Amino acid sequence: AQSVTQPDIHITVSEGASLELRCNYSYGATPYLFWYVQSPGQGLQLLLKYFSGDTLVQGIKGFEAEFKRSQSSFNLRKPSVHWSDAAEYFCAVALEYGNKLVFGAGTILRVKS
Amino acid sequence: DTAVSQTPKYLVTQMGNDKSIKCEQNLGHDTMYWYKQDSKKFLKIMFSYNNKELIINETVPNRFSPKSPDKAHLNLHINSLELGDSAVYFCASKTGQGSGGYTFGSGTRLTVV
Repeated sequence: AQSVTQPDIHITVSEGASLELRCNYSYGATPYLFWYVQSPGQGLQLLLKYFSGDTLVQGIKGFEAEFKRSQSSFNLRKPSVHWSDAAEYFCAVALEYGNKLVFGAGTILRVKS
Repeated sequence: DTAVSQTPKYLVTQMGNDKSIKCEQNLGHDTMYWYKQDSKKFLKIMFSYNNKELIINETVPNRFSPKSPDKAHLNLHINSLELGDSAVYFCASKTGQGSGGYTFGSGTRLTVV
């Protein structure tokens, strides 16, 4: 069955520290990959996406993600976290473009000063 | 201009009532979706329409009926509301062309009492 795994339910980092949020998927082929962020009480904002080509993709707010086919992973990174990055982050995949998104369970990021 | 707008933002209603949530997108997208985010923040697809045609109908009780009068609108009608229907419902849209992401509305928080 198709699935997306975000192994970390909560992550706490200090402001200014680097961040990596993990995402693994289980599909036969390479899916379309996305990271979304949801601030409390807010909707979902697209951070970045991977369709093909360069496996390191840049997104908004200083985020980047790297697609690793051999590990079926699409981890999200940021070199220096800001307090405003505290939110919940969702990894999502789509098997076909325009098809439904399957979401991971989310990772809550807490930033301590 | 809001790209994907949902109304209402909050909805509190009693068990057994019938309610509707409206969604409109002004992006010219071909495909629209309804997602449900439960109390544990898990996001799951409910329905998808492409040019007014239903293309995805996940295992959703038939008390939920989507309606798409045109490709810019996808409404969600819920009959005989139950406590378990309490959730945040997100509308989203996607173009069939290009490489953009899925655009989400800000969500409708439904509380059934």
